[in-house]
Amino acid sequence: DGGITQSPKYLFRKEGQNVTLSCEQNLNHDAMYWYRQDPGQGLRLIYYSQIVNDFQKGDIAEGYSVSREKKESFPLTVTSAQKNPTAFYLCASSIKGARHGYTFGSGTRLTVV
Amino acid sequence: RKEVEQDPGPFNVPEGATVAFNCTYSNSASQSFFWYRQDCRKEPKLLMSVYSSGNEDGRFTAQLNRASQYISLLIRDSKLSDSATYLCVVTESTDSWGKLQFGAGTQVVVTP
Repeated sequence: DGGITQSPKYLFRKEGQNVTLSCEQNLNHDAMYWYRQDPGQGLRLIYYSQIVNDFQKGDIAEGYSVSREKKESFPLTVTSAQKNPTAFYLCASSIKGARHGYTFGSGTRLTVV
Repeated sequence: RKEVEQDPGPFNVPEGATVAFNCTYSNSASQSFFWYRQDCRKEPKLLMSVYSSGNEDGRFTAQLNRASQYISLLIRDSKLSDSATYLCVVTESTDSWGKLQFGAGTQVVVTP
């Protein structure tokens, strides 16, 4: 079955550490997105990519980095510059135009310890 | 002003009752509209697309009012399993790739 897979499901980060969240899709979607969700709040766009080897900053890109070397993969690195990284991170993908909406992965819950 | 606004609720609904809520959007050129459902600590899942003529999927009915720039969702014969947060989603008009704008969600709590 086609889908979008995020790993790990839970991740614990120490202060000052960089961590990378994985996102892989086999839906042949061109566009991929990373969102952050804080408790009781809506989704905020971190980065998005509409084509391989190209990506754009979203509304809250500071402290994050991404790469898009393959169509299927869009990993997100949470760097030590991100001061408040504890959140629920969601990866999504879509066809161009998103006329069928987005398909989301099941998310990664990141906690700073 | 936020691009997509929703009443956060919660809407407390007795089982079997009908509940309806709206979402307003600011960009008149938005082209695609969706309702997503998000359960606690889970990812959002597409509930239904919203078409200009309105559409129905079982107990769920979605309407679009372009003139007043809002979409609505109506749930009939509410079930306990309908308890969730419902996200209103619209496309950004200037983005041909279809980047979506998400509302913060309306919480629905169905009670026995």
